[in-house]
Amino acid sequence: AQSVTQLDSQVPVFEEAPVELRCNYSSSVSVYLFWYVQYPNQGLQLLLKYLSGSTLVKGINGFEAEFNKSQTSFHLRKPSVHISDTAEYFCAVSSSGTYKYIFGTGTRLKVLA
Amino acid sequence: GAVVSQHPSWVICKSGTSVKIECRSLDFQATTMFWYRQFPKQSLMLMATSNEGSKATYEQGVEKDKFLINHASLTLSTLTVTSAHPEDSSFYICSAMGTTGEWSYNEQFFGPGTRLTVL
Repeated sequence: AQSVTQLDSQVPVFEEAPVELRCNYSSSVSVYLFWYVQYPNQGLQLLLKYLSGSTLVKGINGFEAEFNKSQTSFHLRKPSVHISDTAEYFCAVSSSGTYKYIFGTGTRLKVLA
Repeated sequence: GAVVSQHPSWVICKSGTSVKIECRSLDFQATTMFWYRQFPKQSLMLMATSNEGSKATYEQGVEKDKFLINHASLTLSTLTVTSAHPEDSSFYICSAMGTTGEWSYNEQFFGPGTRLTVL
């Protein structure tokens, strides 16, 4: 069965510092991977996705993620965060042959002034 | 493109009443839609998969008679919470999957969510 692990429930970081939000998944088949951001009382906004091809994926708002098949990871990074990046971030996985998404438990990024 | 809307964005109702939430794909046709539930500070949990013209498939532990799902057209799915109780209060999010083209990669497009509060 598929699963997604976001080990860090909260990540505090100072403004303009780099950040990495970790995501590990388990699946026995080919996967598609997604990162979403959720601001309070709002829906999900897609940051980036890995479907195939280059393992380094660039998304919106300066975020990027790298798909590492051997480590079954898809960590999200940003070289310099802003106060406005404070939000909840969800990693999700979907497998080839299924339409379902499995979400991680989320990481709350808090950017400090 | 690929915009999904939900209506209403928030609703407050009395215990025992039923509430209907609409999910629409505005600029594409969606043969498959999904309904999720999100409790405060928690992740999204899939409730059911809705296919146009057929019965919804519910996840284990989700009451079919409690959460009625109808997907009568390629652009509209509805979730009705019947005889709502305070424990049904939650954030409900729908998503829609496209039928062709770039959406062949199983990509879901999410609505903005509906916050339900049952008094």
